[in-house]
Amino acid sequence: AQTVTQSQPEMSVQEAETVTLSCTYDTSENNYYLFWYKQPPSRQMILVIRQEAYKQQNATENRFSVNFQKAAKSFSLKISDSQLGDTAMYFCAYPAGGSNYKLTFGKGTLLTVNP
Amino acid sequence: DAMVIQNPRYQVTQFGKPVTLSCSQTLNHNVMYWYQQKSSQAPKLLFHYYDKDFNNEADTPDNFQSRRPNTSFCFLDIRSPGLGDAAMYLCATSRDGRGEGYTFGSGTRLTVV
Repeated sequence: AQTVTQSQPEMSVQEAETVTLSCTYDTSENNYYLFWYKQPPSRQMILVIRQEAYKQQNATENRFSVNFQKAAKSFSLKISDSQLGDTAMYFCAYPAGGSNYKLTFGKGTLLTVNP
Repeated sequence: DAMVIQNPRYQVTQFGKPVTLSCSQTLNHNVMYWYQQKSSQAPKLLFHYYDKDFNNEADTPDNFQSRRPNTSFCFLDIRSPGLGDAAMYLCATSRDGRGEGYTFGSGTRLTVV
């Protein structure tokens, strides 16, 4: 079975500091994609960052970057210079599937940024 | 702006009374998904359409059904809502279900009274 595991149910960080959220996954595929989504309280789920497995270079989007370790099947999210607006549930996700790909989510990490 | 729109944002229905949630998209994406998300949990996929092909998850209750009359619209029908069906329902779209990620609507929060 293809699974996504987030081992940190909750985390907190002080404003302007750096925090890393962990994610591991299990797949038998060689070429695939990984995503981090952000869901602020009572607000829309939005895509934060995307990684293509065949690319060795870690993806970066402004203050958000990933540490992708394909052999270890690890995909962590680093948030630099944390802002109050980063407070949200963060989901690691992987489009598992055969002929029809379906986004499978980890259980999520609730990140609180403290002033 | 291209987007995914869900209506209504909040829906209150009576126990056992059929209810329909709607989703529309202007992205012209091939795939549309319905997820159920309960409080502080990850979204759970109910079913999806790849074009007109309907794909039901094995553990989706028969009480839940879906329709996709055209590319732009998709509906979630709950035939006889129970208290356990109270949740946020998320609609999402994707071009191919794989590489570009999904675009989510704002969700419909369903309350069953």
